[in-house]
Amino acid sequence: DIQMTQSPSSLSASVGDRVTITCRASQTIGSYLNWYQQKPGKAPKLLIYAAISLQSGVPSRFSGSGSGTDFTLTISSLHPEDFATYYCQQSYSTPIFTFGPGTKVDLK
Amino acid sequence: EVQVVESGGGSVQPGRSLRLSCVASGFIFEDHAMHWVRQAPGKGLEWVSSISWNGGSIGYADSVKGRFTISRDNAKSSLYLQMDSLRADDTAFYYCAKDMSSTPLGPFDYWGQGTLVTVSS
Repeated sequence: DIQMTQSPSSLSASVGDRVTITCRASQTIGSYLNWYQQKPGKAPKLLIYAAISLQSGVPSRFSGSGSGTDFTLTISSLHPEDFATYYCQQSYSTPIFTFGPGTKVDLK
Repeated sequence: EVQVVESGGGSVQPGRSLRLSCVASGFIFEDHAMHWVRQAPGKGLEWVSSISWNGGSIGYADSVKGRFTISRDNAKSSLYLQMDSLRADDTAFYYCAKDMSSTPLGPFDYWGQGTLVTVSS
């Protein structure tokens, strides 16, 4: 089974900061990597799919990169509404999917 | 507007069964694979099960294999999760999610608000 790890598990940042979250797969998954944002008490929201593609309606300050086993989600300038938990998900071994453990971004 | 709405959650004793439902609207349901994802209170997301547009491709997490059964009724735009032999560690919010594709390829582009299942004696 493919295992997903994320780092850091949490980070504190300020509005305007550049934030980078890393996701690593236990084996190569090509570009089959998606990113989700979840706010407390809310359903997850798709941000990035296929490693680099921005979901419709998602602000351009969000971007994804990487392939193979190492991936990155970057928020170029943190907005107040971006404080949330971010999850990566591999969609290589379908119909089996795996989420990373999450990275919580909170206010410094 | 795309909507998926879960129902059927509640409190149940260990070993009992529960059936979750998800009704979809705002898109052509039979054109899309669907998924169940759960989240224990205060924990991360765990993929549970997936089903293709026609039920021909189904997948389960090891943690629920043999106990949970996913199904769909395209005529009713509905997705189901039959949960048998429930255990305390099945306690979670259960989300229904729509796939971008007709087969379970991901990503999951729309999610419901979840329904809470509590397994406790």
